Amino acid sequence: QSVLTQPPSASGTPGQRVTISCSGSSSSIGSNTVNWYQQLPGTAPKLLIYSNNQRPSGVPDRFSGSKSGTSASLAISGLQSEDEADYYCAAWDDSLNGVVFGGGTKLTVL
Amino acid sequence: EVHLVESGGGLVKPGESLRLSCAASGFTFSSYSMNWVRQAPGKGLEWVSSITTSSSYIYYADSVKGRFTISRDNAKNSLYLQMNSLRAEDTAVYYCTREGGYYYFDYWGQGTLVTVSS
Repeated sequence: QSVLTQPPSASGTPGQRVTISCSGSSSSIGSNTVNWYQQLPGTAPKLLIYSNNQRPSGVPDRFSGSKSGTSASLAISGLQSEDEADYYCAAWDDSLNGVVFGGGTKLTVL
Repeated sequence: EVHLVESGGGLVKPGESLRLSCAASGFTFSSYSMNWVRQAPGKGLEWVSSITTSSSYIYYADSVKGRFTISRDNAKNSLYLQMNSLRAEDTAVYYCTREGGYYYFDYWGQGTLVTVSS
């Protein structure tokens, strides 16, 4: 059971916009910034969004993040086949004194 | 270019020990906090441990507290994870990660597989 809650799966067709939710608590998302990671099949995770809505250099602006209260969302617009991957949210948790991850969402591009 | 290369993984029996290493290059290692994150086969990501630049602050996940020890050698640009009293549930790929800012990991190694089985 992960501390942050994500839907196990999501899907969309090429060109569509999809969103992935991430629900936490007052001690995690409610008090700290949220980060998102993309893990392509067979590879190490890659930082996708940091500090709620910041994109590292090289990440397309099709990817965006937002946070409200104890929840956060990752949005992917103009869905492409290469976006098919697992997506994880993460944040520091003040109560646990550690980083907590969501269980991951497997995105399928139909 | 930033590179993180883990080593030291392998097959061990329950109760045994293993030491993972991470060789860092392409950045000023002593200026960044570092972390270990693991992923059990077919499962999600789990944060394991964090260490600040001068080793002043160290944190562990409850699942490894008292069994694992994180350390670093800034002179050797290296991060370590000493794992004792290993259990089957510690079986995972262990990733070395650089902390780019407030607890986000901007660079990841390729991972090293630890298998705990009798």
